Amino acid sequence: ETGVTQTPRHLVMGMTNKKSLKCEQHLGHNAMYWYKQSAKKPLELMFVYSLEERVENNSVPSRFSPECPNSSHLFLHLHTLQPEDSALYLCASSRGLAVTDTQYFGPGTRLTVL
Amino acid sequence: GQNIDQPTEMTATEGAIVQINCTYQTSGFNGLFWYQQHAGEAPTFLSYNVLDGLEEKGRFSSFLSRSKGYSYLLLKELQMKDSASYLCAVMDSNYQLIWGAGTKLIIKP
Repeated sequence: ETGVTQTPRHLVMGMTNKKSLKCEQHLGHNAMYWYKQSAKKPLELMFVYSLEERVENNSVPSRFSPECPNSSHLFLHLHTLQPEDSALYLCASSRGLAVTDTQYFGPGTRLTVL
Repeated sequence: GQNIDQPTEMTATEGAIVQINCTYQTSGFNGLFWYQQHAGEAPTFLSYNVLDGLEEKGRFSSFLSRSKGYSYLLLKELQMKDSASYLCAVMDSNYQLIWGAGTKLIIKP
């Protein structure tokens, strides 16, 4: 149990659907992250939030929209996705943004876009 | 550009020793991380190196040479449960984690 939960664990959606991924951390951390993990590719950082403020947005298409209502919850809203967006979406949290603040990951949501 | 290289897949025998290499080229260096990821599960933190040398933690050790842009993860007395992907990541000068694609380690009896 890593203290970071993600729902749903699996999601299949059409290109015209709107869905949301949810992440919750029970570690009292102040920073949260969204990553995309595609098969045999490096983890891609999508968004970083610190104290509910977005501090990083790595040129992610606007069809991905993050929301951080409080330091324990992070959402990723999805709309009009493309098949190439199919991947494992991982949420992580850390105490802060210092180098030594280890990131703790959730189990991920396996997303398939048809 | 920034780049992290590690082998795609390795195979080893239960009880043996395996070394997983990672080379990196990044804009600045603020430390190197190793994570373990079992299939279908979250990556979990294994080690952090920021100074040259070997850090030992039980059956796992991690080595860093900053001048060579090189690290390895050494796993001793391999167990079947060590079958997983091992991810190397470097924190660059902007304090962003740059990730390798991971090394899938297969342990055979």
